[in-house]
Amino acid sequence: DIQMTQSPSTLSASVGDRVTITCRASQSISRWLAWYQQKPGKAPKLLIYTASNLESGVPSTFSGSGSGTEFTLTISSLQPDDFATYYCQQYQNYPYTFGQGTKLDIK
Amino acid sequence: QVQLVQSGAEVKKPGASVKVSCKASGYTFTSYGISWVRQAPGQGLEWMGWISAYNGNTNYAQKLQGRVTMTTDTSTSTAYMELRSLRSDDTAVYYCARLIVVVPAAPDYWGQGTLVTVSS
Repeated sequence: DIQMTQSPSTLSASVGDRVTITCRASQSISRWLAWYQQKPGKAPKLLIYTASNLESGVPSTFSGSGSGTEFTLTISSLQPDDFATYYCQQYQNYPYTFGQGTKLDIK
Repeated sequence: QVQLVQSGAEVKKPGASVKVSCKASGYTFTSYGISWVRQAPGQGLEWMGWISAYNGNTNYAQKLQGRVTMTTDTSTSTAYMELRSLRSDDTAVYYCARLIVVVPAAPDYWGQGTLVTVSS
């Protein structure tokens, strides 16, 4: 199975900050990577697919980049609604494995 | 609008089986697949597998092989996930999510989740 490793595991930031979350794959996954946002008690929400494509309705403050084994999710200016847990997921090979998650909380 | 509505919470004893349903609406059911993902309390997301609603093809996570069966009923646009020989570490919220299956794709629309509690 492809292992996905996110860093950091937790991140404290303030409204208006720019933050970056990194996701590394144990082998090349081309650009077959998605990012999800999850709030407590809710289902994950797709933010970005194919490494850098913004899902419809997702604010343009979110962006993704990377290819091969290293990927990043950037939030250019944190809004109060952005404090949540973020997961990356590879979908090059089954099983479609997830990173362990990055919890973004308010500083 | 695309919606996936899952069945309600379940409490099961160890060794029992559970069957979770996921009713789809707002799109052509047979043009997509359904993936299943679970999340143990306070933990991350775990991919369980998927089923094509077009032809019933499945792909299951290795660790669940032999205990999980995914099916669909195209007449009601409903997908099902059955997990057998339940153990305490199967306690989790189970999600279904829509998936394009003809090309690699990330699950886009998700159900609300179904809590399955395994306890004696």
